[in-house]
Amino acid sequence: EEQLVQSGAEVKKPGESLRISCKGSGYYFTSYWIGWVRQMPGKGLEWMGVIYPGDSDTRYSPSFQGQVTLSVDKSISTAYLQWNTLKASDTAIYYCVRTGHYWYFDVWGPGSLVTVSS
Amino acid sequence: QSALTQPASVSGSPGQSITISCTGTTSDVGSYNLVSWYQQHPGKAPKLIIHEDKYRPSGVSDRFSGSKSGNTASLTISSLQAEDEADYYCCSYTGSGVLFGAGTKLTVL
Repeated sequence: EEQLVQSGAEVKKPGESLRISCKGSGYYFTSYWIGWVRQMPGKGLEWMGVIYPGDSDTRYSPSFQGQVTLSVDKSISTAYLQWNTLKASDTAIYYCVRTGHYWYFDVWGPGSLVTVSS
Repeated sequence: QSALTQPASVSGSPGQSITISCTGTTSDVGSYNLVSWYQQHPGKAPKLIIHEDKYRPSGVSDRFSGSKSGNTASLTISSLQAEDEADYYCCSYTGSGVLFGAGTKLTVL
């Protein structure tokens, strides 16, 4: 079964750093882009960016460029989303998504809840 | 970039059909056959129901159909069922990434 497994919920303070993970299984991890989607509490979906595990080619949404960093370790089929300095407004559920050649998201992780509060 | 425009809410009775619109621009919806639609039930991850404007993934009910005209894509759900009550999001390739719609809440009366 093709699936994405994400790291668990995190509670952090403003100013702290964080890296969350997304591990793919059941398919060739290096053959598909991995994207990240944010959903703030009670709000809609926002595309953050995408990374290609084969060569780490990365594209960011203008809204998230410079705010987060995407990375990948293809040896363990895992993608990462990282913040250097968290803000309260980063509180959200973050989904990793398998992104096909035609820019649709056919496999979704369960989501990682990140809570940033002093 | 602003989100694609969707109605905030739609409603229908069991057995009826409803259509959710998704309006973009000539830079996104109107330029590529790459609109996808997602269904999200409360507390769950979204699920792909339509890709490339009109194609259903395996396992998705044929009650769901997608279409597009110009800068507006549409999702039609026929023979509404209680289980269709959910949030629906459209998404379009923009040339450099993707843009989601703001979402539409479907209520089955």
